[in-house]
Amino acid sequence: QKEVEQDPGPLGVPEGAIVSLNCTYSNSAFQYFMWYRQYSRKGPELLMYTYSSGNKEDGRFTAQVDKSSKYISLFIRDSQPSDSATYLCAMSADTGGFKTIFGAGTRLFVKA
Amino acid sequence: KAGVTQTPRYLIKTRGQQVTLSCSPISGHRSVSWYQQTPGQGLQFLFEYFSETQRNKGNFPGRFSGRQFSNSRSEMNVSTLELGDSALYLCASTRTGENSPLHFGNGTRLTVT
Repeated sequence: QKEVEQDPGPLGVPEGAIVSLNCTYSNSAFQYFMWYRQYSRKGPELLMYTYSSGNKEDGRFTAQVDKSSKYISLFIRDSQPSDSATYLCAMSADTGGFKTIFGAGTRLFVKA
Repeated sequence: KAGVTQTPRYLIKTRGQQVTLSCSPISGHRSVSWYQQTPGQGLQFLFEYFSETQRNKGNFPGRFSGRQFSNSRSEMNVSTLELGDSALYLCASTRTGENSPLHFGNGTRLTVT
């Protein structure tokens, strides 16, 4: 079993939809949780960074962490075609990016 | 503020050759990590450097090596290239201390023929 599980998709939604992306994990030591967005031929770009459980909102993006269930989510409101990309969840037990473990990434397509 | 810079962007090599990839971290970032990204395996951790010392190493053969210089710039080397080494190699840098996630460059796309 992988430490971090993420459905690779693809996930297709119409423009304006609310998108829900999820990851589960097995290592209870993870405390730092991240979401990255990766466009084709580009490196991953940090979207959200959270510590421990709870919610964090940034514009159209909301990250949720439920440590009791070992489950994290990223919600995208009012999705746009420009949101079409691969979304990677990532987590680590220590700060400083030390041994960050990534999910497989979910390919998202937002159709105009 | 300039981001993480990786050179070259693309490389084509032949089996058995060796290759060196370069990474310049964000100014002020002293930790550099390297990842291999392939469609089948996703992002896999190669190694991490801090203050010119390798702090951690992933589960890759000894053909994969790296180093970090006093200005925090890093290089990774792959010797005796195999077809399976074809991948996107990503470098990421981070500050030390709290609230320090990885920030990635755009990678070097290595193709081994």
